Amino acid sequence: KNEVEQSPQNLTAQEGEFITINCSYSVGISALHWLQQHPGGGIVSLFMLSSGKKKHGRLIATINIQEKHSSLHITASHPRDSAVYICAVRSEAGGGADGLTFGKGTHLIIQP
Amino acid sequence: DSGVTQTPKHLITATGQRVTLRCSPRSGDLSVYWYQQSLDQGLQFLIQYYNGEERAKGNILERFSAQQFPDLHSELNLSSLELGDSALYFCASSVPTWAGGPSGEQFFGPGTRLTVL
Repeated sequence: KNEVEQSPQNLTAQEGEFITINCSYSVGISALHWLQQHPGGGIVSLFMLSSGKKKHGRLIATINIQEKHSSLHITASHPRDSAVYICAVRSEAGGGADGLTFGKGTHLIIQP
Repeated sequence: DSGVTQTPKHLITATGQRVTLRCSPRSGDLSVYWYQQSLDQGLQFLIQYYNGEERAKGNILERFSAQQFPDLHSELNLSSLELGDSALYFCASSVPTWAGGPSGEQFFGPGTRLTVL
């Protein structure tokens, strides 16, 4: 079993729909990252969370540390949101050791 | 543009060969991370350097090594290359949230696509 599980693996939706991508993890963490990877391969950091909720534009990320679960929401989705969304966690190991453990990603397609 | 640069963008080589990938972090970032993304394994953490010293090791093979230089750029050396080493190699950088503490957001370079024939 992977330490970081994402669902769904693939998601196709219509423009304007509200999108939710889920991430569950099985280890103690000090932070959780949501990343976006476009077809060209580049990776962009969207959020880093250790508690609560963050919002940036149409993107909202939440985390529940007790339940070891995070969600990424996209409101008013647009074709340009089509990408792979990756959840990654930083363990509690501390000491400044910060290498991330990644989920397998959610491939999102927004159709016009 | 994240501010992290990687060279080369593409690299095609043969089995058994050795290659060096280079990464320049964002100005002021002290931590450099190397990640490998392959079709079967997904993204995996290889190694982290902080201000010139190795800080953490992930799934890095013994055939691979890295270093971070005084100007903070880093190199990942891959030797005795095998077909399975074909992958995208990303470098990322970050600053610690406080001196010696955990890092904040990680900023990823554009990656180097390695093809081993």
